[in-house]
Amino acid sequence: QQQVKQSPQSLIVQKGGISIINCAYENTAFDYFPWYQQFPGKGPALLIAIRPDVSEKKEGRFTISFNKSAKQFSLHIMDSQPGDSATYFCAAKGVGNEKLTFGTGTRLTIIP
Amino acid sequence: NAGVTQTPKFRILKIGQSMTLQCTQDMNHNYMYWYRQDPGMGLKLIYYSVGAGITDKGEVPNGYNVSRSTTEDFPLRLELAAPSQTSVYFCATRGNYGYTFGSGTRLTVV
Repeated sequence: QQQVKQSPQSLIVQKGGISIINCAYENTAFDYFPWYQQFPGKGPALLIAIRPDVSEKKEGRFTISFNKSAKQFSLHIMDSQPGDSATYFCAAKGVGNEKLTFGTGTRLTIIP
Repeated sequence: NAGVTQTPKFRILKIGQSMTLQCTQDMNHNYMYWYRQDPGMGLKLIYYSVGAGITDKGEVPNGYNVSRSTTEDFPLRLELAAPSQTSVYFCATRGNYGYTFGSGTRLTVV
């Protein structure tokens, strides 16, 4: 069963715009929420992560917003650039275990 | 510093053949994982290990086996390859700063 639901499946954003990818989780026993960026032919690479005791984390142009009561978290990419074109995965780690549950991914394309 | 190294990068297997996907890490991490990635399905956990000599099943372990005799190596074994095992396989480790993935093995079973 899918415990982390990610949307949209694909996203096209103009250069300079804001890219927003959303994830929702069902299991409340998650304690770590990372986002991964994957380029074709490469493995996923950690982009940014958040723990549920904070509502927002920002690193450069990338921001995670976290809504614990709604069980939702999102990735915002400000001033999107063509180099940001990649597939993005959200994930969640269960409390007391070492396994990540991944969303289904969002293919982001930044157009000039 | 190589991080997580996977070999081979590509492989074509015939139905019923067996093979081992190799994974080696030089980060001295205890936790290691095998995931498979299918289009539109995200990554699914096959097996994981919390240290040498200790392994456990993930979400989709059927048709696979693993061993962990050293901290560095975590090979994944396919005994009787089936078309359903056509996928991209990723090995990963977990350290203090999160998970590090290898570059993957693309396996096709025909």
